[in-house]
This record gives sequence, structure tokens and C-alpha cells, in this order.
Amino acid sequence: GAGVSQSPSNKVTEKGKDVELRCDPISGHTALYWYRQSLGQGLEFLIYFQGNSAPDKSGLPSDRFSAERTGGSVSTLTIQRTQQEDSAVYLCASSPQLAGESTGELFFGEGSRLTVL
Amino acid sequence: AQSVTQLGSHVSVSEGALVLLRCNYSSSVPPYLFWYVQYPNQGLQLLLKYTTGATLVKGINGFEAEFKKSETSFHLTKPSAHMSDAAEYFCAVRPTGGFKTIFGAGTRLFVKA
Repeated sequence: GAGVSQSPSNKVTEKGKDVELRCDPISGHTALYWYRQSLGQGLEFLIYFQGNSAPDKSGLPSDRFSAERTGGSVSTLTIQRTQQEDSAVYLCASSPQLAGESTGELFFGEGSRLTVL
Repeated sequence: AQSVTQLGSHVSVSEGALVLLRCNYSSSVPPYLFWYVQYPNQGLQLLLKYTTGATLVKGINGFEAEFKKSETSFHLTKPSAHMSDAAEYFCAVRPTGGFKTIFGAGTRLFVKA
């Protein structure tokens, strides 16, 4: 497709279970970002990829969160042993160029809504 | 560290009235500035951006914003609100030469008939 694709769009899980969220960026975009959107909290930066490497993982809330990107394309955000406070919308965005070489417009997917019971 | 403050989590205007959404940022040097809009159950999309040059920038759907360095502000305006403008609006800042885009908490715009 032409845009950023995220799956699943909705995920309901039980506390303690692991979940995987997938992001398929726009073809050719080298940069990929994950944000978390909680009600009334704006967008919280989680992690950024340039190609397959993640120069900045400082936004990941805890060691239960991890992310990887393969082939410079698809990325997976994994949350282990989910907790109720993990409930949020997880947004993925891609950007066409390396930071500093572009003005940084982000192209967002529609998000994955995670509900932890 | 950079930060973004959006004044007012909710703004309500009448159809045809002026829209003014406020954004202030903190940064040691002028950054890149953005406004994004999020319609219900959709992802964010770019409304407009300021990088360099003219401080008044025009975006889609009749919106514009003015970068005021002295006030560290980047307020979003539209002369006449339409019902279709009802959405959540996010101001964002990115350091020049950097990669991390920081978002404000968002302002939800309501448009009354």
C-alpha cells in the first residue's frame, strides 16, 4: 500500500501475556518511529530506527518493551508480560530521510489499540 | 531538553468563527516546528511545518501558523471554522539536525453549528 500499515488495529489481551505489534512503513523510508498515545497524554516517543539500527531506545518505558526492524522495512514492537498501564494506542511513523538531511515530516499509520485486561 | 506546551486541552468555536490553537516550545535554538491533525480513529497527518525562511506558513485546509522566535510560539489559526475541522491537533518540535520529534499533549477542537 501507499501508506504506513499497522497490525493488528485492535488487540485485547490478558495481563501477563506477551503481544507483538507490527509496522510496515512506506517503501523507501529509511527512518521508522514508534510512539505511544495515551488518553490526554499526547504522543510519547518510544524508539527510533535508522535502517535496522536503533540509535535511541531511551523512550522505551521498561525492559518489557523491545523493538526490532529487519531488512530496513518491517518493524515489530514487543511487549512482554503486559500490564494494565500498557493499554494505549501504539503509533508507528516513517520518514523518508536521515535526520539532518530532511525536515522530518512523519507519516503515521492508524495505530494499534492495545487493551490489557 | 526540548518541550512543547499546548495551551488548552479543549477549544470550542462556532462554525465560521476564528480558530486559534496555541503552542509554545522550549529550545536553545530555533527548531523545526509542525502541526499535525488527527481525525477520529485515524493516524496523524501533517497540517503544516516551519523549517527556515518565511515565518508565516500556510498549510492544508486553510490553516496557517506563524513562528515567533521572540515569543517561542507557533500558534495555529484559521479564519473561519468548518464542522469538518473538528479533530485533535498536535504541535510538535524537532531539533535542527536531530531526529526525535517531541509532541505536545494535543488540543481537541470542537466546532458548534
